[in-house]
Amino acid sequence: KQEVTQIPAALSVPEGENLVLNCSFTDSAIYNLQWFRQDPGKGLTSLLLIQSSQREQTSGRLNASLDKSSGRSTLYIAASQPGDSATYLCAVSFSGGGADGLTFGKGTHLIIQP
Amino acid sequence: GAVVSQHPSWVICKSGTSVKIECRSLDFQATTMFWYRQFPKQSLMLMATSNEGSKATYEQGVEKDKFLINHASLTLSTLTVTSAHPEDSSFYICSAREREEIFKETQYFGPGTRLLVL
Repeated sequence: KQEVTQIPAALSVPEGENLVLNCSFTDSAIYNLQWFRQDPGKGLTSLLLIQSSQREQTSGRLNASLDKSSGRSTLYIAASQPGDSATYLCAVSFSGGGADGLTFGKGTHLIIQP
Repeated sequence: GAVVSQHPSWVICKSGTSVKIECRSLDFQATTMFWYRQFPKQSLMLMATSNEGSKATYEQGVEKDKFLINHASLTLSTLTVTSAHPEDSSFYICSAREREEIFKETQYFGPGTRLLVL
């Protein structure tokens, strides 16, 4: 069974700290991996998408890395701000080919303390 | 660009009634749309994949006769929860992939529909 696991489940840090969220997946033959942000009671906002041939993607204060061989991805958030408080979801397209849905982890609930 | 809307945003209904949820791609054409379900404090689970003009593909454990999906156009997919029961109460989210961006694989998500069945 293809699974996505996120650690930690919850994280609370003071404003300004750099932090790392972890995602692991059971099948290394992935098509791509995405990180999303979900605010309470809301839909998803796509943050970064990494194709299987890529090792990392950057957007502003966010950097996501991908290591297919070890089945891991990390989301690095630099200089965290209270507005970064949300649940961060890692999602994997295991088969791709343009027709498959995503397998999601349970998310990391992040709180940035002012 | 790449905005996906859902209607209604939330709905309360009595047990036994049917509820229709619409998912629309507002500024692009979506060959494929996906329906997910999220129970409280759980992750999103893929329910079905909807391709325009063809039957939906359901994930294992999802009853196709209970969750009817229609993808009649390149901008609209509907999910109908038939004879809803309290255990169907959940957050339903759709996503769409832009036809022209198919090789980029980005899915654009709607804001979700919260269903409460009494």
